[in-house]
Amino acid sequence: AQKITQTQPGMFVQEKEAVTLDCTYDTSDPSYGLFWYKQPSSGEMIFLIYQGSYDQQNATEGRYSLNFQKARKSANLVISASQLGDSAMYFCAMRAFYLKVTFGTGTKLQVIP
Amino acid sequence: DGGITQSPKYLFRKEGQNVTLSCEQNLNHDAMYWYRQDPGQGLRLIYYSQIVNDFQKGDIAEGYSVSREKKESFPLTVTSAQKNPTAFYLCASSPDRTGNQPQHFGDGTRLSIL
Repeated sequence: AQKITQTQPGMFVQEKEAVTLDCTYDTSDPSYGLFWYKQPSSGEMIFLIYQGSYDQQNATEGRYSLNFQKARKSANLVISASQLGDSAMYFCAMRAFYLKVTFGTGTKLQVIP
Repeated sequence: DGGITQSPKYLFRKEGQNVTLSCEQNLNHDAMYWYRQDPGQGLRLIYYSQIVNDFQKGDIAEGYSVSREKKESFPLTVTSAQKNPTAFYLCASSPDRTGNQPQHFGDGTRLSIL
């Protein structure tokens, strides 16, 4: 079985500040991948960042970085220099057992001017 | 441009009726997925397919059926056995069988009960 947990239903952050969105996971598959997606109010899913279970370094993509702590089974997303356009739902997802991809319940981020 | 096309955008179902949601991709992706999203909730996996003529149940497959007769098409049928079908349905695909590539998503279908 595999499970993704996002414990923050909602978060507020001041514009230009950094914010961390939490994600913990559980799987018995030693080979897995972790993804973060953004879903604006329009409903589209936008891929942000990927981390493989065997990757030695934390993934970074522009203002997004993934704080991967394998022993703690956590894969937190860090958004630096928040912008108003970052207001959206954010989902953590895990691919394990070959191609099964499951999602967490999401965190609603609101950026305050 | 390549992408995933879901149709229709809005769909209404009468009690006891089966309805089929279309998902077509021209990205030449091997894997395809169907998810259900309830308001304010995450995505729950219904079915997924790695190759043509093969598919696996996800976490909430009861009341749903799929087929994968062509690489580019992965239709989802919501049967009358699904008692609470009102939700937003998202189709996705990924380019390879290793699963290291991100999923590409369609724009979704909103299904409601009449």
